Amino acid sequence: EDQVTQSPEALRLQEGESSSLNCSYTVSGLRGLFWYRQDPGKGPEFLFTLYSAGEEKEKERLKATLTKKESFLHITAPKPEDSATYLCAVRHLTQGGSEKLVFGKGTKLTVNP
Amino acid sequence: DTGVSQNPRHKITKRGQNVTFRCDPISEHNRLYWYRQTLGQGPEFLTYFQNEAQLEKSRLLSDRFSAERPKGSFSTLEIQRTEQGDSAMYLCASSFRGIGGETQYFGPGTRLLVL
Repeated sequence: EDQVTQSPEALRLQEGESSSLNCSYTVSGLRGLFWYRQDPGKGPEFLFTLYSAGEEKEKERLKATLTKKESFLHITAPKPEDSATYLCAVRHLTQGGSEKLVFGKGTKLTVNP
Repeated sequence: DTGVSQNPRHKITKRGQNVTFRCDPISEHNRLYWYRQTLGQGPEFLTYFQNEAQLEKSRLLSDRFSAERPKGSFSTLEIQRTEQGDSAMYLCASSFRGIGGETQYFGPGTRLLVL
């Protein structure tokens, strides 16, 4: 069964202090790895999709990378507004034909000014 | 706003009551998903519609849960005889399967509290 593990569970950074979040996965044939951002009390907001090892995507201070076993979300010079929970998910094709997402538990990022 | 919308945003009910949530997907998205999220966890898949057909149901979806998507537009999720364990955030997502793949876009969620 597909599994997604995110680490660390929580990360506290000072403004400007770069770091990385990890997402390791075990799937039978990767059909896409997704990163979402979730603010408290809100739904997940789509950030990136990665499909193959070596692929990278960037958006402002965020950069997502993918290897055969894990993905990293690099945050460069974070600002307090980057504080949120970051969710990683893999796409799983079910027998019923749906392409549900299997999520990790998320990393709660806090950036202090 | 052309994103996914959900109503109500919050619902407090007493144990044993029935509740119904509504999801309006992004127009022209033919796929619609329901997920449930509890505190400190990622969203968990509940059910999936392609157009008006419900094609997949998770084992998490007990007989007290029913979902519909009449005419392939909005969807409703009903929980009968609510239990305290049903307290969670219920998320709806919609997508369109194209050549480039599929991305699910989530609504703001409905937070349910069962007393």
